Amino acid sequence: EIVLTQSPGTLSLSPGERATLSCRASQSVSSSYLAWYQQKPGQAPRLLIYGASSRATGIPDRFSGSGSGTDFTLTISRLEPEDFAVYYCQQYGSSPNTFGGGTKVEIK
Amino acid sequence: EVQLVESGGGLVQPGRSLRLSCAASGFTFDDYAMHWVRQAPGKGLEWVSGISWNSGSIGYTDSVKGRFTISRDSAKNSLYLQMNSLRAEDTALYYCAKAPTYSSNLPYFDYWGQGSLVTVSS
Repeated sequence: EIVLTQSPGTLSLSPGERATLSCRASQSVSSSYLAWYQQKPGQAPRLLIYGASSRATGIPDRFSGSGSGTDFTLTISRLEPEDFAVYYCQQYGSSPNTFGGGTKVEIK
Repeated sequence: EVQLVESGGGLVQPGRSLRLSCAASGFTFDDYAMHWVRQAPGKGLEWVSGISWNSGSIGYTDSVKGRFTISRDSAKNSLYLQMNSLRAEDTALYYCAKAPTYSSNLPYFDYWGQGSLVTVSS
């Protein structure tokens, strides 16, 4: 099973700043089958990115994904107040699909 | 609009059973694989089980194999999770999630329900 390690655990930033979240896999993720989700308190996760870099329907272009192999990044170019949340990466290139432990983006 | 509404959760004693349901609407249910993903209180996400569009392919995470059974009913546009021999470590919010394709293999999840809480405790 592929283990995903997300860093940092918590990111303290101000609105308008750039956020860079890392997801590192214990083995290469096949075909860049890597997704990112956003979860706010009391809500279900929301798909942001799939295929490492493709934005899901309705996701603003300030969210971007990059990476391949074992290293992936989610970038939020300018944080809006509604972006403060927990972010999870998920690999679905090998079975079972697995999630990272999450990165919390909090207001500084 | 895609809607997934879970039900059936609750407080149950260890060793007992519970059946979760997920009512789907807003899309052609028969065309897509469906999954259950859980989240223990204050913890991260864990895929539990998935079923292909025609129930021909089914998968489970190792910790629930032999105890949980996933199924779907196209006439009712519903997904189910029968959970037997429940353990304290099964305590979690269980989400119903839709995959973007008919296959249950190698899935990501484009729509999620709001979850159904299962608490296993004596």
